[in-house]
Amino acid sequence: SQQGEEDPQALSIQEGENATMNCSYKTSINNLQWYRQNSGRGLVHLILIRSNEREKHSGRLRVTLDTSKKSSSLLITASRAADTASYFCATGSRLSNQFYFGTGTSLTVIP
Amino acid sequence: DAMVIQNPRYQVTQFGKPVTLSCSQTLNHNVMYWYQQKSSQAPKLLFHYYDKDFNNEADTPDNFQSRRPNTSFCFLDIRSPGLGDAAMYLCATSRVRGTDTQYFGPGTRLTVL
Repeated sequence: SQQGEEDPQALSIQEGENATMNCSYKTSINNLQWYRQNSGRGLVHLILIRSNEREKHSGRLRVTLDTSKKSSSLLITASRAADTASYFCATGSRLSNQFYFGTGTSLTVIP
Repeated sequence: DAMVIQNPRYQVTQFGKPVTLSCSQTLNHNVMYWYQQKSSQAPKLLFHYYDKDFNNEADTPDNFQSRRPNTSFCFLDIRSPGLGDAAMYLCATSRVRGTDTQYFGPGTRLTVL
């Protein structure tokens, strides 16, 4: 599969804890993006990190990218019940014009 | 607000009966995508339009067709839906291909009876 792999597949944490999910991919990329999907809804873009960046922050989100290992992680700090959703990484390549989603992590934040 | 709109949100069709899903956008983006998403799976790209240029994924069944009559609208036609085509269908747009942020509609949940 050309899709990235994410782990864990499912994650359940208590409100206030941090949540970390990981993404591994196979091809050379120009950027990696993280999306969130609430149950039965479309995807919402969260954050984009370029291939020449190593870390990026947006509010309670922290994304890291290691192109040598072809991996990325998404950290959500001080989680809230409203963070319950599925999270997908997606990789983009200008060379191939391809855009692939990972397999997703289902996050449950228990109030 | 600029957005991606999908209609209907829920569609029920019968086995073998053609069905059309619609997507419109007010973002004036060049690229429009159709994804199929089954339960607990990642979105699977079916095809995309870069302006009027149609790009079919290699493993998209012939049963699925698409039309883009203008920049704003894109349609997904399923000629003879099978039970395995029951899924969420997501439309998305982006300014350019490959690397740009994609903006998704809310999806159409298709049920095949």
